[in-house]
This record gives sequence, structure tokens and C-alpha cells, in this order.
Amino acid sequence: DAKTTQPPSMDCAEGRAANLPCNHSTISGNEYVYWYRQIHSQGPQYIIHGLKNNETNEMASLIITEDRKSSTLILPHATLRDTAVYYCIVSLTQGGSEKLVFGKGMKLTVNP
Amino acid sequence: EPEVTQTPSHQVTQMGQEVILRCVPISNHLYFYWYRQILGQKVEFLVSFYNNEISEKSEIFDDQFSVERPDGSNFTLKIRSTKLEDSAMYFCASTFRTAAYEQYFGPGTRLTVT
Repeated sequence: DAKTTQPPSMDCAEGRAANLPCNHSTISGNEYVYWYRQIHSQGPQYIIHGLKNNETNEMASLIITEDRKSSTLILPHATLRDTAVYYCIVSLTQGGSEKLVFGKGMKLTVNP
Repeated sequence: EPEVTQTPSHQVTQMGQEVILRCVPISNHLYFYWYRQILGQKVEFLVSFYNNEISEKSEIFDDQFSVERPDGSNFTLKIRSTKLEDSAMYFCASTFRTAAYEQYFGPGTRLTVT
């Protein structure tokens, strides 16, 4: 089962920042937090990952709390193309296989 | 930008038939995965593959399923005798290494079993 909880849905206005929360209170010290998204029925797309420190790339920023029990994905200027299901995933290397365990995710709708 | 490709995009088959779903992972990647997503449900892990053998498989991946990397570029998923409940989107993914490295997913094959 997924080790994360996310609200089922969120709306955001185009051009505004979208802040997507995730709880992972049982995360262990060597587990990473990953964010993926799935636009319609396409293959999931990697967004960002982190262990302890905040991370930023060209797509988004990831803020992880100091106790690592929750995180927030920030899309700084949401566009209509950011409408998707966003998955927060905690993942651990196990025997050379880092399988991803997807939950239900959170549907982000960006409105014009 | 390199990408994972999958063929066919849509496969329709009759119950009991064998199907082979094909994937071409990114060329320097070493770890390969199959996931599936039944319509309206979560993406589910099926199997991971490294160094020409299965690393891990889920309960879904029973004796009807097999994977192969026949020629160093293709990665295939075979379902020996399809059932109605095998109807789903099947996604292939690959990554260069595990532990903090993103998986790249293909566009998926929609399998419809009638």
C-alpha cells in the first residue's frame, strides 16, 4: 500500500502558484520522496525527488519538512497543461529494484 | 530527449490468446519495469528486471506473465492466456540506476481483452 496521503483534488487559477501537500508520517530515514504526475491516460512523468533538503528544478520545487513527515510540491506558475493527477510517492531501494507504489494521487485542475 | 517507446499503442485480443507487449527502454538504462493501470484505478507495479533476471514481482505477476529482454534493446511482457481482467493500460519504465533516480515511463499499451 502507498505510504502517503494526499487530498483527492485541488483547483488552482492559471498563473498562480499551486501548492500540493503530501503526508508521509511513516517515512524512514533512507526513503526518498518522489513526485510524478499523469496527464490523462499518459505514462506517469517524473517531476522531482528529495531526501531531506528542499529541491528545485525547471518544473517545480519540493519543500520537505524538517521531520520529513510531510512535503509540498510547488508549481510556481500553473498553466492549463499542468492539469493532471499528481502522485507523491515514498520509495526505498529494495534488492536493486526501486518499484514505485502509486496511491490514488491528487487531481489538480488549473482553471483559466 | 531520449524516451521510452511502446508498441502497439492499442491491442485487442480474445480471451485465452497470448499477447506480447513490447517496449524499447532508453539505451543506457539498466533497470526495467512493467506497471499496469486498470481503467479508473491506481497504477500498479508488476515486475522489475535487472541484469537479465527478475528483481521483484508483485502478486499480480503470476505464471501467466513473463518478461524478456531478447536482444539488448527490447523489453517484452508476455501474457500467455489472457483473461478479461487483464484489460488495462500497461506501462513500461526504465531507469539508469535505482536509489534516487527517476523512472522514465513509456506512453503505454492499451490492452483490451474481449
